[in-house]
Amino acid sequence: EPEVTQTPSHQVTQMGQEVILRCVPISNHLYFYWYRQILGQKVEFLVSFYNNEISEKSEIFDDQFSVERPDGSNFTLKIRSTKLEDSAMYFCANLKGNTGELFFGEGSRLTVL
Amino acid sequence: SQQGEEDPQALSIQEGENATMNCSYKTSINNLQWYRQNSGRGLVHLILIRSNEREKHSGRLRVTLDTSKKSSSLLITASRAADTASYFCAGANQAGTALIFGKGTTLSVSS
Repeated sequence: EPEVTQTPSHQVTQMGQEVILRCVPISNHLYFYWYRQILGQKVEFLVSFYNNEISEKSEIFDDQFSVERPDGSNFTLKIRSTKLEDSAMYFCANLKGNTGELFFGEGSRLTVL
Repeated sequence: SQQGEEDPQALSIQEGENATMNCSYKTSINNLQWYRQNSGRGLVHLILIRSNEREKHSGRLRVTLDTSKKSSSLLITASRAADTASYFCAGANQAGTALIFGKGTTLSVSS
């Protein structure tokens, strides 16, 4: 089964610092997603990315956040000037073909102190 | 907006019993999916049911969909301790491009 790989698995940062979370998607899957899950809470949609452009984003995905494909394969989520409430698990996901099924990575745990 | 809302929030059963989880959603969907999450791990896709389907089976899983009531149920038969996890329903929007998840049902199966 192909895998979505996320790094780092855990990052601790100081409030106000910038954080970059990375995702290596399954090759040839064109839709990418970022989700966030605050500990013990629901999985929240942040943004979907298709063909190198944002296709949809939620209210959570404000100017503090940005997504990029810096080298055509990796996929990053940047959080500028982190806040305490940004502490969460961040999941990257790929869409499987036309089924709508998502393949999730294992997540990156972000702790903002 | 939250697309899925699971019920109950928590469920504790004995091994061998069946577990039923329900999901309600608010807006029209293209399909509805159920995912499983072990503690601290990523989500794993379990089953997808399209808006024109009413019931689907996969192994010990049975999912139903009632679009008139905007609800779905997931039945796990003959549960095992390894089924202990959180289960989420997620609705795909009409474009099929975004899945919106509910809060999940935490299932505990004791042996």
